[in-house]
Amino acid sequence: DTEVTQTPKHLVMGMTNKKSLKCEQHMGHRAMYWYKQKAKKPPELMFVYSYEKLSINESVPSRFSPECPNSSLLNLHLHALQPEDSALYLCASRGDQTQYFGPGTRLLVL
Amino acid sequence: EDQVTQSPEALRLQEGESSSLNCSYTVSGLRGLFWYRQDPGKGPEFLFTLYSAGEEKEKERLKATLTKKESFLHITAPKPEDSATYLCAVQANFGNEKLTFGTGTRLTIIP
Repeated sequence: DTEVTQTPKHLVMGMTNKKSLKCEQHMGHRAMYWYKQKAKKPPELMFVYSYEKLSINESVPSRFSPECPNSSLLNLHLHALQPEDSALYLCASRGDQTQYFGPGTRLLVL
Repeated sequence: EDQVTQSPEALRLQEGESSSLNCSYTVSGLRGLFWYRQDPGKGPEFLFTLYSAGEEKEKERLKATLTKKESFLHITAPKPEDSATYLCAVQANFGNEKLTFGTGTRLTIIP
């Protein structure tokens, strides 16, 4: 089983809202990732957690705040987003050398 | 800097018409090359991982091959359900977690 789940599937938020995206995997993978994907573009890496510690932050604005409560869960806390942050947010986890992606959360910032 | 170039950008085929997608790469030591399929609005679905030149992998109508400079995704007798964007990505060989993606090939199979 190579399933990564993400909730919610869709999210609409105003620029003053605070919301969170959730990602879960039960494959025992110890590396988890957040990506942002705009239409007709490849995924862009945002954050990497390795063994529940943040190992890579790709200079992401502080209005995005990741959290890894345990080895199966990854959250992305959102606050004071801008309309240009509207995108598909993807979570992935890595087994062996391969990253497995979740279905994504479609985020619209109004 | 690692680079991945995919061609063509878009490809329209008749059902049953076989073809190949290309992924050219430059990387400072290849740890792995990955092929994904992505449907609109969904997450990338893993297809293949290739590690070394000469390696080949197959799954249903798809076959991926790897040389030292490029990878091909061969599609044999495609069906309309094979329509998707196909993404290629590489990972460099020095403990780097980061994948470098190409911009994808948008494949449309016409019934």
